[in-house]
Amino acid sequence: LAKTTQPISMDSYEGQEVNITCSHNNIATNDYITWYQQFPSQGPRFIIQGYKTKVTNEVASLFIPADRKSSTLSLPRVSLSDTAVYYCLVGDSSASKIIFGSGTRLSIRP
Amino acid sequence: NAGVTQTPKFRILKIGQSMTLQCTQDMNHNYMYWYRQDPGMGLKLIYYSVGAGITDKGEVPNGYNVSRSTTEDFPLRLELAAPSQTSVYFCASSPIPGTYEQYFGPGTRLTVT
Repeated sequence: LAKTTQPISMDSYEGQEVNITCSHNNIATNDYITWYQQFPSQGPRFIIQGYKTKVTNEVASLFIPADRKSSTLSLPRVSLSDTAVYYCLVGDSSASKIIFGSGTRLSIRP
Repeated sequence: NAGVTQTPKFRILKIGQSMTLQCTQDMNHNYMYWYRQDPGMGLKLIYYSVGAGITDKGEVPNGYNVSRSTTEDFPLRLELAAPSQTSVYFCASSPIPGTYEQYFGPGTRLTVT
């Protein structure tokens, strides 16, 4: 399983776009990149998953450069309710288990 | 669908006691997982199961046991509770195979004193 590196914490303001970058230098050919969001006292919630280029859903966008050694989760126009911990995971979709790192603690201010 | 449900929500155990954390999912997912999360830390995988009758160890299995007699249920057993097992326990499930899209339960907050 590829190791990931994320910033420990980030701060931003309501209405701003927030980009959280994850480094995964040892990503393998079959690995996907997945992001989760976790609010205090709740289980993590799946946000988005991608393999290459760009993926967008109603919540976020995921940008993956050609070399796939990093990825960026983009949250458009954040609000206070986006304050949470965000986890980046990388692994083969056929693997039975995944590893969560320490995540990025995102704080949004008014 | 209720998704993934866990009971109890909270529990206080004395050192040496045993208990079972219950987890049930109604999505017919083959894959199920147990994680623990210590304060301010990420999740660590305890055990997982790829289907009824099949279980395997994760990153931190010591002090725990699991069973998977049905697709729906995946109980976690703590034997001889220790203070180091004070944590929040999350159960999750995912559809077969080929996705990291896991669905998590609300968690069980366990304190061992």
